[in-house]
Amino acid sequence: EPEVTQTPSHQVTQMGQEVILRCVPISNHLYFYWYRQILGQKVEFLVSFYNNEISEKSEIFDDQFSVERPDGSNFTLKIRSTKLEDSAMYFCASSLSGRGSGELFFGEGSRLTVL
Amino acid sequence: SQQGEEDPQALSIQEGENATMNCSYKTSINNLQWYRQNSGRGLVHLILIRSNEREKHSGRLRVTLDTSKKSSSLLITASRAADTASYFCATEIFNAGNNRKLIWGLGTSLAVNP
Repeated sequence: EPEVTQTPSHQVTQMGQEVILRCVPISNHLYFYWYRQILGQKVEFLVSFYNNEISEKSEIFDDQFSVERPDGSNFTLKIRSTKLEDSAMYFCASSLSGRGSGELFFGEGSRLTVL
Repeated sequence: SQQGEEDPQALSIQEGENATMNCSYKTSINNLQWYRQNSGRGLVHLILIRSNEREKHSGRLRVTLDTSKKSSSLLITASRAADTASYFCATEIFNAGNNRKLIWGLGTSLAVNP
């Protein structure tokens, strides 16, 4: 069964360092998303991406965050200068269809720890 | 309460019993989805119910949606120890643009004791 894969599964970094989280969405999917879950808190929407551009982003997704689909298969989330409060599990998701139909498929997540 | 609030926060039952989890929300929705998360693992989609549907089944799962009360329930029948996980509801809200944005609750932590 096709699945969304994420790497790394866990990354530890120092505050102020750049981090890139990688995702390989399901191959025929067209819509891509990043969500995050701070320990003990709700899953939060970060950004959605379609047709090589951001469709929507949340207030969390400030100038320190960026997304890219560099090669047609990977979908990356970059945090330029990490802060302690960026420590969270980051989930990538993809879907075949847009608004209101079908399911989102999530990866296993990348746990980011900022020291 | 915020969009997508589950109750109870924690539920402990014996294997074979049924587990019922509820979710309430505030705004009009396009659909409501239930997800499962094993500890430290990814989010697994269980079932999606559209705003014009009232009930949906998938195996041992039964989901209801009452848009007049802005609430949904997830029933797991004949629970098994392997059902132990956190269960989240997520609402998809009508939104401008062609994207999928889910608003999540805090989840219900279900423990099924053998």
